[in-house]
Amino acid sequence: AQSVSQHNHHVILSEAASLELGCNYSYGGTVNLFWYVQYPGQHLQLLLKYFSGDPLVKGIKGFEAEFIKSKFSFNLRKPSVQWSDTAEYFCAFYGGSQGNLIFGKGTKLSVKP
Amino acid sequence: GAGVSQTPSNKVTEKGKYVELRCDPISGHTALYWYRQSLGQGPEFLIYFQGTGAADDSGLPNDRFFAVRPEGSVSTLKIQRTERGDSAVYLCASSGGDEQFFGPGTRLTVL
Repeated sequence: AQSVSQHNHHVILSEAASLELGCNYSYGGTVNLFWYVQYPGQHLQLLLKYFSGDPLVKGIKGFEAEFIKSKFSFNLRKPSVQWSDTAEYFCAFYGGSQGNLIFGKGTKLSVKP
Repeated sequence: GAGVSQTPSNKVTEKGKYVELRCDPISGHTALYWYRQSLGQGPEFLIYFQGTGAADDSGLPNDRFFAVRPEGSVSTLKIQRTERGDSAVYLCASSGGDEQFFGPGTRLTVL
């Protein structure tokens, strides 16, 4: 079955620390990968996406993610987090021509000022 | 409007009652999706419309759940004989291409 595994449920960092959130997906074919972010009290927003080409994709607010096909992974990174990055982060994908997204359970990030 | 809107933002109902949740997609978006997000979980797919027709309803949990999009714009998710386990945030998303834009959700509480 198609699924997404996000390894960390809750990550707590101090400002300026580096961030890496793990994401592994389960699907044997071509995938389209996404990271969504949900700030407190707000709706889901797209952070970045990968469809094809350069496996290192850059998104908004200094975030980037690397697609490693051999590891079925799409980890999210940011070199230096800010208090305003406190949010919940969701990894998602859809396979082939399907449109519906398969989401992970999310990782809550708390950044201490 | 600028984004996807959903009404009501909160709905409290009693077990066994019928509820309708509404989604107004971004103007011009032909694809519309419904997801359900339970506490501590990521969104789970329910149903997908392309225009007026349901292109994929494989995520609907049972026949108490039904959704329509009669004119290819606004969509309504209908839940009959609600159960306490239906309590969740119901999310709607629309798409005009390869990105889905999400609404704020409707928080449904079944007492």
